[in-house]
Amino acid sequence: QKEVEQDPGPLSVPEGAIVSLNCTYSNSAFQYFMWYRQYSRKGPELLMYTYSSGNKEDGRFTAQVDKSSKYISLFIRDSQPSDSATYLCAMSAGGYNKLIFGAGTRLAVHP
Amino acid sequence: DTGVSQDPRHKITKRGQNVTFRCDPISEHNRLYWYRQTLGQGPEFLTYFQNEAQLEKSRLLSDRFSAERPKGSFSTLEIQRTEQGDSAMYLCASSQRRDRPYEQYFGPGTRLTVT
Repeated sequence: QKEVEQDPGPLSVPEGAIVSLNCTYSNSAFQYFMWYRQYSRKGPELLMYTYSSGNKEDGRFTAQVDKSSKYISLFIRDSQPSDSATYLCAMSAGGYNKLIFGAGTRLAVHP
Repeated sequence: DTGVSQDPRHKITKRGQNVTFRCDPISEHNRLYWYRQTLGQGPEFLTYFQNEAQLEKSRLLSDRFSAERPKGSFSTLEIQRTEQGDSAMYLCASSQRRDRPYEQYFGPGTRLTVT
């Protein structure tokens, strides 16, 4: 079993929809939770981070962490075609530690 | 910041050949990470440097793989006697910020194809 599980999709939604992306994990030592966006043939780009449990909002993006359930989510409101990419969750047990990534969810937002 | 750069962007090699990739981190970033990403998967950690010291290596990094970071600046990743299973995107990332140490900035990657 992988440390981080993420549904690879693909997920196809109409423009303007609310998108929900999720990951589960098994290692209770994870403290830092990140979401990266990766466009085709590009390196991952950090979108959001959360330390420990709670919610964090940044514009159209909201990240949630539920450590009791070992479950994290990323919500995208008013989705745009430019949001079409692969979304990777990543976790770390310590500040400078390696990141453990999920497999990524491919998202397509169609006009 | 000019960002993390990697060279080459693409490499096609025949099985059994040696290849070397280079990563230039963001200036003054003292932490540098190598990851490998295969199609449909997330990046997997390979190794990590703090300055010139290699502090952690994954079990994925077989004895055919070696990484260096002389003088704590750029880093190289060498794969000897390449195998078809080495075909992947090799990603480099760097980090520095004390207040956001988890924030790793990734380069565009080097795509390796072993024929």
